[in-house]
Amino acid sequence: DTAVSQTPKYLVTQMGNDKSIKCEQNLGHDTMYWYKQDSKKFLKIMFSYNNKELIINETVPNRFSPKSPDKAHLNLHINSLELGDSAVYFCASSQALGSGVSYEQYFGPGTRLTVT
Amino acid sequence: KNQVEQSPQSLIILEGKNCTLQCNYTVSPFSNLRWYKQDTGRGPVSLTIMTFSENTKSNGRYTATLDADTKQSSLHITASQLSDSASYICVVSARGSYIPTFGRGTSLIVHP
Repeated sequence: DTAVSQTPKYLVTQMGNDKSIKCEQNLGHDTMYWYKQDSKKFLKIMFSYNNKELIINETVPNRFSPKSPDKAHLNLHINSLELGDSAVYFCASSQALGSGVSYEQYFGPGTRLTVT
Repeated sequence: KNQVEQSPQSLIILEGKNCTLQCNYTVSPFSNLRWYKQDTGRGPVSLTIMTFSENTKSNGRYTATLDADTKQSSLHITASQLSDSASYICVVSARGSYIPTFGRGTSLIVHP
């Protein structure tokens, strides 16, 4: 059983389009995250939700809107896609969100987004 | 500003050899440090986590060390295998912060 799953695995689209990436975790975790990994492999946190509540929003453009319908799902919708949005997007989950306490994060397989 | 610097950026070794990856951080106040392994095309997987009071933690052939005084950590891989080829990412958390600081990773290639 896959602990954290993402769909789609690959997404190729044109500039200006709107797209969504879905994420689901079956670990019973309270906290979910979205990360962006650029071409130089640098992982940068974008959002974190704890019990469906937005906790972290790291200076991400308004074109990115996360939505958490329940604790097991955190979807990412991107409006008006730009070339610079091309990257691998990872969803992750952890048991809880600790302030300075590092709960292990379980990552999904990633979604490679290519904007042409 | 909290930062995590990893070295080397990339490393190539022969199968069976040992290697050591470095992580220096300026994150303060320090809470814990975690090493992740990321295989190509997959998400990162946690290898070890260390808090302030721990200076060594092992996970099979992986041994992480922490010197909280000098703010340095290392990840030592013993008797490397082809499956060790991956990116190794150091992540440091500060007390009072929800947001960990990620290093840029070391890319390790193990050749037969």
